[in-house]
Amino acid sequence: AQSVTQLDSHVSVSEGTPVLLRCNYSSSYSPSLFWYVQHPNKGLQLLLKYTSAATLVKGINGFEAEFKKSETSFHLTKPSAHMSDAAEYFCVVSDPGTASKLTFGTGTRLQVTL
Amino acid sequence: GAVVSQHPSWVICKSGTSVKIECRSLDFQATTMFWYRQFPKQSLMLMATSNEGSKATYEQGVEKDKFLINHASLTLSTLTVTSAHPEDSSFYICSASPDWLGTQYFGPGTRLLVL
Repeated sequence: AQSVTQLDSHVSVSEGTPVLLRCNYSSSYSPSLFWYVQHPNKGLQLLLKYTSAATLVKGINGFEAEFKKSETSFHLTKPSAHMSDAAEYFCVVSDPGTASKLTFGTGTRLQVTL
Repeated sequence: GAVVSQHPSWVICKSGTSVKIECRSLDFQATTMFWYRQFPKQSLMLMATSNEGSKATYEQGVEKDKFLINHASLTLSTLTVTSAHPEDSSFYICSASPDWLGTQYFGPGTRLLVL
């Protein structure tokens, strides 16, 4: 069975400082991993995805994530936070064997302060 | 590209009535569509998976007679909440995928409030 754990339910950073949102996964297969962002009362937007190609994945809006198999981690980072980054972020895992069924983490709320 | 719409964006209904929510893929054909439910400040929970022209596959604990899903075309899936009750109040989100193993593109969600 696949699962994903987001280690922080809430992260607060100052504008212009780095962002780190942590995610660990569990999977029986070679997983696909995703980060989605959800702004208040909005749908989910795909930030980036890993599908067994390069381990460092670059996404939209300056975000990137590194797949580390040895640590079963897929942490999301951004060098410099912007106020517009304040949102809920979901780490998501998908096993090929489950026909693209997505399993969501519990989410991390990112707060960006001045 | 890869835009998914949902209609309505929000709906208020009386207890006992039925509500239909539409999910459309606007610029691609969606072989598979998914329906999720999200409670306040919680994660998304998959309710069911539907393939065009076939019956939906429901997740454990989801009542198929309560949440009717129809995927009649490659661009449209509907979720009907039958005989809605206040506990059905939630944020319903659909997603669509152009192929069986493809990335899912999410709609903006429909907020349902049952009085």
